Amino acid sequence: DAGITQSPRHKVTETGTPVTLRCHQTENHRYMYWYRQDPGHGLRLIHYSYGVKDTDKGEVSDGYSVSRSKTEDFLLTLESATSSQTSVYFCAILGGTGGGYTFGSGTRLTVV
Amino acid sequence: EDKVVQSPLSLVVHEGDTVTLNCSYEVTNFRSLLWYKQEKKAPTFLFMLTSSGIEKKSGRLSSILDKKELFSILNITATQTGDSAIYLCADPGAGSYQLTFGKGTKLSVIP
Repeated sequence: DAGITQSPRHKVTETGTPVTLRCHQTENHRYMYWYRQDPGHGLRLIHYSYGVKDTDKGEVSDGYSVSRSKTEDFLLTLESATSSQTSVYFCAILGGTGGGYTFGSGTRLTVV
Repeated sequence: EDKVVQSPLSLVVHEGDTVTLNCSYEVTNFRSLLWYKQEKKAPTFLFMLTSSGIEKKSGRLSSILDKKELFSILNITATQTGDSAIYLCADPGAGSYQLTFGKGTKLSVIP
């Protein structure tokens, strides 16, 4: 199955600081996605990538940027974290069995 | 813009009950509809539905799609406490296949 890891698993940061979350895949899947999950909202798409240096915005992209300089890594950056960005962040790839999508284990980010 | 609506948003049942979860969708170019179960971590895949009227089944869980009426249901029979989770419905959409999720149904099964 497709290997996907997220780091860190948990992070507490202060308002106004930059934060970068990493998503790493071990197979050369083209499509990668960042979602955030909040109570009452399900999973909402932040940004996605369809290849190296090819990215686009999702539904809730304000305050976030992404980069994909290598196929295996998709980085999500909060340029200046705010309390409203406290959430659980999931990375996903289009690859693997079971509907074709594989999710990372998530990063729980708390902005204080 | 694709839209996925789930109902109910939460549900509490007793062990042994049968539950039906609903998912309606409005999508531009339908490919499939996916169901996931989420406990305390990442969503795990349950079903992919592409054809109308064909039931997918796995143990006590089953799901069916109605492409004419644009909805799907997920049935769980003889519920167990281990079925307690958030159940998510998602549309892979067109273009770059980004999933659009419904808000989920939080199912709580009490002994």
